Amino acid sequence: DVKVTQSSRYLVKRTGEKVFLECVQDMDHENMFWYRQDPGLGLRLIYFSYDVKMKEKGDIPEGYSVSREKKERFSLILESASTNQTSMYLCASRRGITEAFFGQGTRLTVV
Amino acid sequence: QKEVEQNSGPLSVPEGAIASLNCTYSDRGSQSFFWYRQYSGKSPELIMFIYSNGDKEDGRFTAQLNKASQYVSLLIRDSQPSDSATYLCAVFNTGGFKTIFGAGTRLFVKA
Repeated sequence: DVKVTQSSRYLVKRTGEKVFLECVQDMDHENMFWYRQDPGLGLRLIYFSYDVKMKEKGDIPEGYSVSREKKERFSLILESASTNQTSMYLCASRRGITEAFFGQGTRLTVV
Repeated sequence: QKEVEQNSGPLSVPEGAIASLNCTYSDRGSQSFFWYRQYSGKSPELIMFIYSNGDKEDGRFTAQLNKASQYVSLLIRDSQPSDSATYLCAVFNTGGFKTIFGAGTRLFVKA
């Protein structure tokens, strides 16, 4: 059974903190993605990676960075958390042009 | 123009009726098309995918693709209250390695 696991289900952080969101997949997928989802805006792509150590900016990369040191792990980093980064964060992985599988999501609140 | 557009709804149908969900996309080079269902507070889960023009049926679900019109639809027959969710249309663009999501259509099935 395919599995994408995000490290936290709920997270509360203070403004200015550095925040790490971790995602691990066990499907040997080459492609991994980070989205944020906000009401009325749908899923917006932050960053994606198509191979180890490779990364590409998505549509809203500002304020975020990513790391992919191993194929199964893709980390999203909020360099200095701000209240406008309060959101649901979804990690996904995909092989080729097939469907994306999602993690359970991390609801991040920045106070 | 958004790359993938859906009517946000809500779409309300009585139990047992056919629910029809629509999606248009802007990139003619798109190759793969997906429908995801997302319950409130949960992550998206794949329910249908389609690659070729025409209809594809899976149980109560039928996906329809018309590449000339750049149009994808999802029909849900014999709608059940458990089908009440947000339905996300997703389009894969080979050139960009990205899966682009629409903002979703909220469906309510009334018992």
